[in-house]
This record gives sequence, C-alpha cells and structure tokens, in this order.
Amino acid sequence: DTGVSQDPRHKITKRGQNVTFRCDPISEHNRLYWYRQTLGQGPEFLTYFQNEAQLEKSRLLSDRFSAERPKGSFSTLEIQRTEQGDSAMYLCASSLEFGRGGLTYPGELFFGEGSRLTVL
Amino acid sequence: DQQVKQNSPSLSVQEGRISILNCDYTNSMFDYFLWYKKYPAEGPTFLISISSIKDKNEDGRFTVFLNKSAKHLSLHIVPSQPGDSAVYFCAASHGNAGNMLTFGGGTRLMVKP
Repeated sequence: DTGVSQDPRHKITKRGQNVTFRCDPISEHNRLYWYRQTLGQGPEFLTYFQNEAQLEKSRLLSDRFSAERPKGSFSTLEIQRTEQGDSAMYLCASSLEFGRGGLTYPGELFFGEGSRLTVL
Repeated sequence: DQQVKQNSPSLSVQEGRISILNCDYTNSMFDYFLWYKKYPAEGPTFLISISSIKDKNEDGRFTVFLNKSAKHLSLHIVPSQPGDSAVYFCAASHGNAGNMLTFGGGTRLMVKP
C-alpha cells in the first residue's frame, strides 16, 4: 500500500496526558499537512511542511501542539496536557505542489484514514 | 469567518437521478477548487478539481461547475448510485497562499435504491 498511513487509528487518553500521532506520507510527495476534523465540520488546517521545514501554522495550533517532520519523511504531531476540547479526528495529508502562472498551488491532497483522539 | 460554505448539511436523492451539491465561497482570491468525498472511518478522497480559468470540468459521472461572479460552485453526479452515499466537501485555495486547502463543512448525500 503506497498511500498515506497514520498511527494509531484511535487513541483514548485521560485529560492532562500527552499523545503523539505519526504520519507516513506518499514517498514522492514534498508537502505534508495536518488537519483536524470535529463532528459535523470540515477539516481545519493545522500546519504544513515542505520537505522538513514547517512553513505555516494555524492559530488553532496552540503551544501545547508540536509537529515535526525530521528528514522530510514521516511526521509526528504531539499534543501535550490534552484537554477534552482536543477530542477530534486528526488527519494527515500529503501532496505534490504544482506551479501555474508563477504561483504555487498545494495540488491534490491525499489523506490518510485519520487518528481519532478521545480525551476523557 | 467561514470562507467556504456548504449550506445544505444533507441531501437525499433517488438512484439514477441527478445529485447537485452546492458550495459558496467569500474569498475572491480563491482560484483553485476541489471536491472530496468521505466515507465513515476513512479519510477524504479526491474527486475532481477546477481552476478559475474554467467554468466546467467533467470526469465520468462527476461534473463541477464554477460561477466566479457568484462565488459559487456545484458538483453534479449523474446518474447517482447508492455507492455515492457519503459526505462531500468542497475546498478552495489560491496561488498567492498556496499552502493549504480551506474546506467547507460538508454535505451528506444519501442515494436511495
């Protein structure tokens, strides 16, 4: 399977604990994104990497959240001191950017199956 | 402020008929639009895209229409099949900030046999 994979698929934790999610993107993709989705809502952008550089972070990403992409391959998203409001599906996606007319577009995002976090 | 809106949370259609899913956007800078489909317990999967230089793009049973003056796009599925039952998200981006896609809230499509 050469798609985007995420681990774990489901994590149940107690409030105040730390959790870490891993994402393995499609190998030839240079961009990696983290999105969060809550019930009844569309995916909300959290952060993205171009190769190993984290180039943008949403204001949704509080200082309890940290993401890394060492060596431009897999990525981890860590949430420290989890709160009940962190309960959501965390989606990872990768893409190959394309350019047109001197501008750069993210391209088609390929999503993983998501990691569902439940904070009790 | 929601820049991409899908005002119909759900839509029910008979098998074989046309499904029309709508999406409105407010950011006039958006110039690249996509539709994604999502089944339960799976991540969204890409369906079809359109850039602002076009007003229509077709791929098999799926056609996306873009009305830039109205800041509106729609996805037509003809004929609808029970396997099309899923949540559909529209998404948008623009080249000046081509870092991410902004998604709408989704429309749940139910195709009845």
